[in-house]
Amino acid sequence: EVQLVESGGGLVQPGGSLRLSCAASEFTFSSYWMTWVRQAPGKGLEWVANIRPDGNEKYYVDSVKGRFTISRDNAKNSLYLQIDSLTAEDTAVYYCARGGSFFNSWGQGTQVTVSS
Amino acid sequence: DVQMTQSPSSLSASVGDRVTITCRASQTINTNLNWYQQSPGKAPKLLIYGASTLQGGVPLRFSGSGSGTDFTLTISSLQPEDFATYYCQQSFSIPRTFGPGTKVDIK
Repeated sequence: EVQLVESGGGLVQPGGSLRLSCAASEFTFSSYWMTWVRQAPGKGLEWVANIRPDGNEKYYVDSVKGRFTISRDNAKNSLYLQIDSLTAEDTAVYYCARGGSFFNSWGQGTQVTVSS
Repeated sequence: DVQMTQSPSSLSASVGDRVTITCRASQTINTNLNWYQQSPGKAPKLLIYGASTLQGGVPLRFSGSGSGTDFTLTISSLQPEDFATYYCQQSFSIPRTFGPGTKVDIK
């Protein structure tokens, strides 16, 4: 069974940074587009970014461009999201998901809270 | 960006009811439309992709239809585990966008 396990969330001050990780197993990670999706408290789902299997193509939602960086290490079966210059509006559960068009497996999410 | 809307935003239904949720895109997206179910405190789960293809393991009471700008998700006979929030999502263009969700609760 496909497994995606996020980590790296936490409480951070405005302007701070975090690096989220997603450990993948039970599938050929290097063959799949991967995606980050977030969900603010009590709100809907928001697509954040995705990355091609070889890591050479990346896309972001406008609200995070220049602040977030998606990356992957296929040798480690891992996906990452570097999030900088955090604001309160970035407070959310961050999910990693398999796929670039639709998302057929999801992790359990990691909570990011931005507060002073 | 393609904007997605859903109606209704919430509905109350009983076990055994037939439920229909509508999703509309701000421009044509062909059949690049996907549906997810999210229960409280859980990650979303893919139900349908390509507007009408059932994801493996999803019960046959779920079905999807539509193309262009208008789409529907139908649950033929609502079961207790189906009380959740449902989201549509377009995969026609970047950024991928989700609808605001439809919450299905118990009447």
